Amino acid sequence: EVQLVESGGGLVQPGGSLRLSCAASGFTFSDNYMDWVRQAPGKGLEWVGRIRNKHKNYMTEYAASVKGRFTISRDDSKNSVFLQMNSLKTEDTAVYYCAREYYSKLDYWGQGSLVTVSS
Amino acid sequence: EIVLTQSPDTLSLSPGERATLSCRASQSVSSSSLAWYQQKPGQAPRLLIYGESSRATGIPDRFSGSGSGTDFTLTIARLEPEDFALYYCQQYDSSLPLYTFGQGTKLEIK
Repeated sequence: EVQLVESGGGLVQPGGSLRLSCAASGFTFSDNYMDWVRQAPGKGLEWVGRIRNKHKNYMTEYAASVKGRFTISRDDSKNSVFLQMNSLKTEDTAVYYCAREYYSKLDYWGQGSLVTVSS
Repeated sequence: EIVLTQSPDTLSLSPGERATLSCRASQSVSSSSLAWYQQKPGQAPRLLIYGESSRATGIPDRFSGSGSGTDFTLTIARLEPEDFALYYCQQYDSSLPLYTFGQGTKLEIK
């Protein structure tokens, strides 16, 4: 059974940093691209970024709204993907989901981790 | 950036009825890059339909997808109580942003 479990969310002040983790199980993690998607309270879904696999040199891509502030990394030995968020803004407040990417779709999602940016 | 517009914003129907949800793209989208998700309150989105009209694992056959070009449809043949939820369409493009989502359609019990 595929499982994705996020952790690391919480309350942070504007300008602060936070690191989210996503632990994967039930599939060959190293083969897959992994994505982060967020959802602001009461709003729709917004793609945040992606990290490719080793075969594609762990290339990362980001949405314009987070580029230069957020960094995605992975540790295939620990079946984990990470989202480092710096220079956080109030508009970054959202539930952050990690998701497995499979041929142009996100077929499995974690339960989400709430990040609240507020003073 | 391709913009997806879903209609209606809210759809009120009764169990047993047929639901038709629309997703319109601002420019032509490959059918293989179009997907639909269901989201219930407090839960993560769940993949329903991808590609031409392929159902994800465990999705009942009352859910179907159709369309091409700029117009796509999610149909739920006979609504069950557990189908009342939010539905999002999504498209994938090789240029940034890689994934875009529609604003969602809320399917509520009439």
